[in-house]
Amino acid sequence: NAGVTQTPKFQVLKTGQSMTLQCAQDMNHEYMSWYRQDPGMGLRLIHYSVGAGITDQGEVPNGYNVSRSTTEDFPLRLLSAAPSQTSVYFCASRPDPSTEAFFGQGTRLTVV
Amino acid sequence: AQSVTQLDSQVPVFEEAPVELRCNYSSSVSVYLFWYVQYPNQGLQLLLKYLSGSTLVESINGFEAEFNKSQTSFHLRKPSVHISDTAEYFCAVSGVTTDSWGKLQFGSGTQVVVTP
Repeated sequence: NAGVTQTPKFQVLKTGQSMTLQCAQDMNHEYMSWYRQDPGMGLRLIHYSVGAGITDQGEVPNGYNVSRSTTEDFPLRLLSAAPSQTSVYFCASRPDPSTEAFFGQGTRLTVV
Repeated sequence: AQSVTQLDSQVPVFEEAPVELRCNYSSSVSVYLFWYVQYPNQGLQLLLKYLSGSTLVESINGFEAEFNKSQTSFHLRKPSVHISDTAEYFCAVSGVTTDSWGKLQFGSGTQVVVTP
């Protein structure tokens, strides 16, 4: 039981490049979310999903796309990377609203 | 809509002294409340949560938090801190209604620095 797996752990992108951050969970959780963590700003919700085929925007969705074709996977796409997207990204999943979220180990992204 | 405010960005405290971390939330629906801890260079771990019932909840390592509906607060306390409690603490809120189930939103965090 691997929990929530994020890849890659580190990434450097050039401005304008696109990439996909991968997130997979093997706990059959319906709810999955993407956050970015910046100093002094806590974790800000980018996008979330309440089940396969259903996604919605969080607090800071601009510049990011998501899809949820399976229960297990919830990739985050950066369409055209900008230096403002330099951050640590966390994926999380949980089975229902009353339970804790299980977090991946994070992806440290630097956009130069 | 819901939001979480952590009023203190950093709290310095001496070892064995008490600490209180403040968290206020706003929401148009009933909520579940959580406190998470993040140790340096690690992911987030659940510390404790309030779902319903008794307004005072406790964790296994001596932290407690009290839900106050009238003041929309969920402050975290520990009567005597250890050096190992140095970490960042995040308050989080999740709505209980179907149209807010998916959103788990976090505050900006409080850095606790414990010194001897």
